[in-house]
Amino acid sequence: EVQLVESGGAVVQPGGSLRLSCIGSGFTFDDYTMHWVRQSPGKGLEWVSLISWDGTGTSYADSVKGRFTISRDNTKNSLHLHMNNLRIEDSALYFCGKETYGAGKIEDWGQGTMVIVSS
Amino acid sequence: DIQMTQSPSSLSASVGDRVTITCRASQDINNFLVWYQQKPGKAPKVLIYAASTLQSGVPSRFSGSGSGTDFTLTISSLQPEDVANYYCQKYDTEPRTFGPGTKVEIK
Repeated sequence: EVQLVESGGAVVQPGGSLRLSCIGSGFTFDDYTMHWVRQSPGKGLEWVSLISWDGTGTSYADSVKGRFTISRDNTKNSLHLHMNNLRIEDSALYFCGKETYGAGKIEDWGQGTMVIVSS
Repeated sequence: DIQMTQSPSSLSASVGDRVTITCRASQDINNFLVWYQQKPGKAPKVLIYAASTLQSGVPSRFSGSGSGTDFTLTISSLQPEDVANYYCQKYDTEPRTFGPGTKVEIK
């Protein structure tokens, strides 16, 4: 059974930094492109970032480009999102997701970890 | 970047009704579109991918159509368990933008 477990969410002040993590199990982690998707309370889904299976390819939403960095450690089946210069509008539930190979769909999701940016 | 829009933003329909949600891309995305269903407090669930391919395990009352810029998700006979938010997402290129969502309720 595929499992994705996020952690690292916290309350942080504007301008602060945070690192989110996602541990995958039940599948061959280094075969898959991984994503971060966020959702502010009561709002829609916002795609944040993706990283290719080997970490050589990354992409970001314009809203986080230059502030967030996605990374992975395939030896530890882990995905990370390094978030710098956090803004109030970054407050959201952050999901990690596993993309099905060759199909574009994010078929497996974690339960999410909450980030609150507040002074 | 390609923008995604959805209509309506919300709808209320009776059990058994046919429900149609539209997703539009600002540029041609071929058929690189996924539809997700999200219930409160839950992660999204894939319903349709490649615009019209039904995800395994999803009831056949859900169907998708379209190509290029205009796409449709149809629920042929709305059921109480279909109350949820529905999102389209493009995956032709990055950014993998989601549509703003459609809230479906029972009348």
